[in-house]
Amino acid sequence: GQSLEQPSEVTAVEGAIVQINCTYQTSGFYGLSWYQQHDGGAPTFLSYNALDGLEETGRFSSFLSRSDSYGYLLLQELQMKDSASYFCAVLNSGYSTLTFGKGTMLLVSP
Amino acid sequence: DAGITQSPRHKVTETGTPVTLRCHQTENHRYMYWYRQDPGHGLRLIHYSYGVKDTDKGEVSDGYSVSRSKTEDFLLTLESATSSQTSVYFCAISEAERGSYTDTQYFGPGTRLTVL
Repeated sequence: GQSLEQPSEVTAVEGAIVQINCTYQTSGFYGLSWYQQHDGGAPTFLSYNALDGLEETGRFSSFLSRSDSYGYLLLQELQMKDSASYFCAVLNSGYSTLTFGKGTMLLVSP
Repeated sequence: DAGITQSPRHKVTETGTPVTLRCHQTENHRYMYWYRQDPGHGLRLIHYSYGVKDTDKGEVSDGYSVSRSKTEDFLLTLESATSSQTSVYFCAISEAERGSYTDTQYFGPGTRLTVL
């Protein structure tokens, strides 16, 4: 089976940089995804790493290291609107299904 | 935004009653998914479909059944609702092919179900 671990909560101030870590144990996967969910809303796709290394999309970057079973989401120039829950998820081998971590709530303060 | 709607958006029902939730897409995507989201558990896959009449179980499928008779509709049925099925249910769609190395899922707005 697949299991993913993330911190339950992270706090930061506006303008700062924050990193949300994700460690995983899997029986095989194609890549690591990140989703954002604002309170009461639907999850939305942020980033996907199929290969080891860094993927950059604007203020957000995501990193994957398969040898360390580890990934992270890096958010730069934090804004109040970045306060949300962030989920890592593995794309399971052989199927187009995702297994999600339990999520990290990011609280951005002024 | 991907064209995904869910109905109803809110429902309160009693233990033992059947409940059907509907997910409708206008994107003609092949894959559709049902998740439940509970505090402390994140998103957990209930069932998914990879085509009309083709469905498979996810990690928390007990007590749920699904049907997909048309590409655009994916129904989730609770045959006899229990209080443990009180949750927020999300539908998602994906255009990925089976065994695809990439995937982006697009989520509907969710259905809040309360079983008393």
